[in-house]
Amino acid sequence: GEDVEQSLFLSVREGDSSVINCTYTDSSSTYLYWYKQEPGAGLQLLTYIFSNMDMKQDQRLTVLLNKKDKHLSLRIADTQTGDSAIYFCAESRGTGRRALTFGSGTRLQVQP
Amino acid sequence: NAGVTQTPKFQVLKTGQSMTLQCAQDMNHEYMSWYRQDPGMGLRLIHYSVGAGITDQGEVPNGYNVSRSTTEDFPLRLLSAAPSQTSVYFCASSITTGGGETQYFGPGTRLLVL
Repeated sequence: GEDVEQSLFLSVREGDSSVINCTYTDSSSTYLYWYKQEPGAGLQLLTYIFSNMDMKQDQRLTVLLNKKDKHLSLRIADTQTGDSAIYFCAESRGTGRRALTFGSGTRLQVQP
Repeated sequence: NAGVTQTPKFQVLKTGQSMTLQCAQDMNHEYMSWYRQDPGMGLRLIHYSVGAGITDQGEVPNGYNVSRSTTEDFPLRLLSAAPSQTSVYFCASSITTGGGETQYFGPGTRLLVL
């Protein structure tokens, strides 16, 4: 099965908050990342969190990490139509392995 | 800086043909990698390189070769294309900082194998 799991789709209204969830299985993960992919484009790093942190806030983005449950979430405040994209959760597993393991992505649709 | 560049943007191949997907970065990053992205799946690692002259296999290496003769370039070769290799291919380079591994992705190459 997948090491990193995400729900496939989320629809919100403009101005509402969006919460995108992710679960992972590898307890040795050191960093967890959120990437954004717009149609026809590559992946853009949005934010990341180190595994010894519980929360990280960066402007409209809030990342919550529950290491006990291996659950990561990305909250987007005041969601805008420009936030419509696919969001990928990814983990890296220490200095010996710098590649990332990605979830399958959550498509966020923002309705005006 | 141009960042990570990939060529071509789009390619159609016939089964059995070979081709090379080009990737270059001008950020002097040691670590580079190739991923493929298929519908409904996340990115899967094909090959990676921790520096010039060093490459290693990722999760799905079969049917692909790589080389890293310079820091800047990391081409991906398809030896004998198969329809199962129809995908979008992303190259990435990364640097380790106090904030972890920051990966920079290219715009992707969309490959169709008939």
